[in-house]
Amino acid sequence: GAGVSQSPSNKVTEKGKDVELRCDPISGHTALYWYRQSLGQGLEFLIYFQGNSAPDKSGLPSDRFSAERTGGSVSTLTIQRTQQEDSAVYLCASSSPGGLGYNEQFFGPGTRLTVL
Amino acid sequence: TQLLEQSPQFLSIQEGENLTVYCNSSSVFSSLQWYRQEPGEGPVLLVTVVTGGEVKKLKRLTFQFGDARKDSSLHITAAQPGDTGLYLCAGNAGGTSYGKLTFGQGTILTVHP
Repeated sequence: GAGVSQSPSNKVTEKGKDVELRCDPISGHTALYWYRQSLGQGLEFLIYFQGNSAPDKSGLPSDRFSAERTGGSVSTLTIQRTQQEDSAVYLCASSSPGGLGYNEQFFGPGTRLTVL
Repeated sequence: TQLLEQSPQFLSIQEGENLTVYCNSSSVFSSLQWYRQEPGEGPVLLVTVVTGGEVKKLKRLTFQFGDARKDSSLHITAAQPGDTGLYLCAGNAGGTSYGKLTFGQGTILTVHP
């Protein structure tokens, strides 16, 4: 079946512009996560959606970052007034907590964001 | 805040050598996962360990979860160039934090032919 997809795969923008990154999770997965990864580094948690519950936004680095998930499926991560330090790969993952296994997360290929 | 310390950060070895990657924390995790990531792709789950003292084997890879569920290791026997990649451990605290994974900083493994 289809995995997690993200778009665009690459985004180059100028400092101060807003960007939107999209994530399509695996169909039926109730949980969706956004992470940020700097080159060759581990993953920094940003935000977590689970069903109809209020999202866990504890990882968002500033109020320039926001995310929404419409209809319990597609999610959009928005970064306003981008800064050069926002340059990174943004990864989305989905999972089905409570099902078989232990919250194994399935990742998309990521969006590489470059802020000039 | 739970932290996972992963070591070494870089590992460069010759084909056929053995290696071990460590993942340590002062916190207890309900489960711990290991992922492998190749350039331009997202991480892919290798294994989940959930019981203290558990050992899981996946071909030449052996994963161990510490008795106290605070640490884990990944051992690769007779490494091959195809093992090259970024290895990440990730802990799930469970409870009210069930959905969130805490990731280690990763180990970049390069296996030379």
